Amino acid sequence: DTAVSQTPKYLVTQMGNDKSIKCEQNLGHDTMYWYKQDSKKFLKIMFSYNNKELIINETVPNRFSPKSPDKAHLNLHINSLELGDSAVYFCASSLGGDEKLFFGSGTQLSVL
Amino acid sequence: AQRVTQPEKLLSVFKGAPVELKCNYSYSGSPELFWYVQYSRQRLQLLLRHISRESIKGFTADLNKGETSFHLKKPFAQEEDSAMYYCALRPQGAQKLVFGQGTRLTINP
Repeated sequence: DTAVSQTPKYLVTQMGNDKSIKCEQNLGHDTMYWYKQDSKKFLKIMFSYNNKELIINETVPNRFSPKSPDKAHLNLHINSLELGDSAVYFCASSLGGDEKLFFGSGTQLSVL
Repeated sequence: AQRVTQPEKLLSVFKGAPVELKCNYSYSGSPELFWYVQYSRQRLQLLLRHISRESIKGFTADLNKGETSFHLKKPFAQEEDSAMYYCALRPQGAQKLVFGQGTRLTINP
């Protein structure tokens, strides 16, 4: 009965690789987000999708490409991984522009 | 640009003592402010929002536009309050939240 689930929970990979993180929500929400939490614990928005349409792209490098096949899914694909991409990535969802976000448990990405 | 500042990365108080987690913001418009909390091994979740003017788990927060602050307060801390607390701002009309860097609160027995 998990509300927002993201996989994998941990991801360790080499520089230069391409990887994907998946996110699914079963809350019937129409808006989904990706947030990045850096080593200093800052949570910063990366992308926001509403009804499968991109509405926020916060100056994220184009190596990061979100894909929303439907309202319940928002996947994050990262090309040519760099050391600085190491962080915890959180998926979240909400209903419309409601500020109550429901978060996934996070994916800890380590780039070696 | 919008910014949320939580000046304390770590805060430690004794059980039963009052607790205040500070949050200051920078935003030229009319802000909506929130507190999110992450308990150990749990997900980040909404604790309270300023427009509701409610008390959740004994916590309250008042938006002070003059001081651009939204401090979180509880008169008597309990051990189960130990968690990571994030203050967040929603810019007017925007579908995103701008978070502070968080404060780790530890309640000592």
